[in-house]
Amino acid sequence: DSGVTQTPKHLITATGQRVTLRCSPRSGDLSVYWYQQSLDQGLQFLIQYYNGEERAKGNILERFSAQQFPDLHSELNLSSLELGDSALYFCASSVGPLGPGYEQYFGPGTRLTVT
Amino acid sequence: AQSVTQPDIHITVSEGASLELRCNYSYGATPYLFWYVQSPGQGLQLLLKYFSGDTLVQGIKGFEAEFKRSQSSFNLRKPSVHWSDAAEYFCAVGAREDTGRRALTFGSGTRLQVQP
Repeated sequence: DSGVTQTPKHLITATGQRVTLRCSPRSGDLSVYWYQQSLDQGLQFLIQYYNGEERAKGNILERFSAQQFPDLHSELNLSSLELGDSALYFCASSVGPLGPGYEQYFGPGTRLTVT
Repeated sequence: AQSVTQPDIHITVSEGASLELRCNYSYGATPYLFWYVQSPGQGLQLLLKYFSGDTLVQGIKGFEAEFKRSQSSFNLRKPSVHWSDAAEYFCAVGAREDTGRRALTFGSGTRLQVQP
């Protein structure tokens, strides 16, 4: 158990809908990262937050957004969902930005199925 | 931008045999290097990491990896594989400089199958 929690574990929804994925980082971790894992794209970085502020963006679609709240939990919002958004979404956390001693620990993921 | 190549998509070894999973990276300097393991239906578990210093790093579950700067490689090894090691293994790199992007770039993964 990494100490990173993600809810829900599974989500099934229809095209065009909007969903929210939630992540609670390890106790004491200030950085939260979101990744998407799909069969065709592999593991791709979406977005990073550090202590409530956005720090870096990766291959995140404009239909997707995220935020980190004062209690440091984070939410990833996916809207106007398409079939191709079906994937496993991981949250990871670290004490600080990537560096010695600041390795990332991953949650169990949320499996999103868009029908 | 950094990139990672894991040349072997699928590897099968017999239980008790040795294992080496290959990882090559592309980066202008020495990156941060990681190996993660993902069991079916699970998240990613950190096996080991390299930041600096000794180029042979030890991890959990009896795994080790060696950083070779001249070959831009960070291969994962285990002397004797157990059936429970069957999983997917990901090599990842992270940039050192403060580019603002502090996330990991992952390879495509190597699926390990262990034969009894």
